Amino acid sequence: EPEVTQTPSHQVTQMGQEVILRCVPISNHLYFYWYRQILGQKVEFLVSFYNNEISEKSEIFDDQFSVERPDGSNFTLKIRSTKLEDSAMYFCASSKVTGGPNQPQHFGDGTRLSIL
Amino acid sequence: AQSVAQPEDQVNVAEGNPLTVKCTYSVSGNPYLFWYVQYPNRGLQFLLKYITGDNLVKGSYGFEAEFNKSQTSFHLKKPSALVSDSALYFCAVRRNTGTASKLTFGTGTRLQVTL
Repeated sequence: EPEVTQTPSHQVTQMGQEVILRCVPISNHLYFYWYRQILGQKVEFLVSFYNNEISEKSEIFDDQFSVERPDGSNFTLKIRSTKLEDSAMYFCASSKVTGGPNQPQHFGDGTRLSIL
Repeated sequence: AQSVAQPEDQVNVAEGNPLTVKCTYSVSGNPYLFWYVQYPNRGLQFLLKYITGDNLVKGSYGFEAEFNKSQTSFHLKKPSALVSDSALYFCAVRRNTGTASKLTFGTGTRLQVTL
């Protein structure tokens, strides 16, 4: 069964540095999402992306965050200047075009981001 | 605004017994409801969804969920629990407009199944 893949599985970065988290969504999916889960807390929506533009973003997704689909397979989340509170597990998800919002989102295994 | 409540942090059940994991939701309009399971160091795995129709929906691994509109609930059930069902379970709601609409998750319920 096709899967969403995320790299790296663990990223350790100094505060203030830029970090890019990478995702390869399922190949016939065209809706992409980023969520994050701070340790011990619930999964929170960051951003959704379709047709090369942001569809929706949360208040967490401020100017230090950006997303990009640089080619036909990758979907990236960039954090420009990391803060301690950005430490979390970041999940990428994708869903099909056909069927509308009743299609489930399929998640990758996440990237654990640790800011020192 | 949309929200999900999972009132139990943990549910303990003996193997072979039925299990219920509770979820209530709030959303404008008709809801799209989902259950996901998370195993250690893994992502969220889709279990089942309610969109419309029959209030009892069946999903993966023998799980089912019952939608109750009047109580705004979507409880996850399984007739006979297995030790391998032990994991973190998340209920989620989505608006029924906007194809790329976000999922809003509950805080999760840890299911512990013992022999």
